[in-house]
Amino acid sequence: EAGVTQSPTHLIKTRGQQATLRCSPISGHTSVYWYQQALGLGLQFLLWYDEGEERNRGNFPPRFSGRQFPNYSSELNVNALELEDSALYLCASKGRGKETQYFGPGTRLLVL
Amino acid sequence: AQSVTQLDSQVPVFEEAPVELRCNYSSSVSVYLFWYVQYPNQGLQLLLKYLSGSTLVKGINGFEAEFNKSQTSFHLRKPSVHISDTAEYFCAVTSSMGGRRALTFGSGTRLQVQP
Repeated sequence: EAGVTQSPTHLIKTRGQQATLRCSPISGHTSVYWYQQALGLGLQFLLWYDEGEERNRGNFPPRFSGRQFPNYSSELNVNALELEDSALYLCASKGRGKETQYFGPGTRLLVL
Repeated sequence: AQSVTQLDSQVPVFEEAPVELRCNYSSSVSVYLFWYVQYPNQGLQLLLKYLSGSTLVKGINGFEAEFNKSQTSFHLRKPSVHISDTAEYFCAVTSSMGGRRALTFGSGTRLQVQP
């Protein structure tokens, strides 16, 4: 069984640009979570999608947004990039009615 | 809301020695608890979890953890570590009562296994 996949593995952008990160959950999983792991800030919850709907978001500004597609894959968009958005962005998926989140390898975003 | 405290930011230990990584949590509701491991330049891998039942849970790679509700702790242990266990370990908690269901993570403990 394939695990959670994320693309791209690395992304370099300049300040003010937009970044799009993608996540494919484990087959059969309906929930997707996004987390940011920034140096010195630890792992912070960004967004939760379930059955195509945004269910909750963490303490991040609106320029962090995303969506979940009918096949349950997800996209995270970060607009108006700032230097402090440089981080590893991790996606996790969870099965319906289950409690355990399984993580992908992450996308490392560098904003110059 | 929940919070997780991992008091030790770094734990150096010699190969084949036992290790304990400490995790304490705070929550006003019942919780589920997890330990994840992160190897350099990788994502998070699930080590073990406590959802209900026996308070002693066993995970992969010889790790185990004990849920102690009265002390609100979920310490991770391994009786004999290997060089390959060198990594960052994260304790995480989520509410068992529904709602956000996102994980709240501790700040991580870097385990450094020395030969």
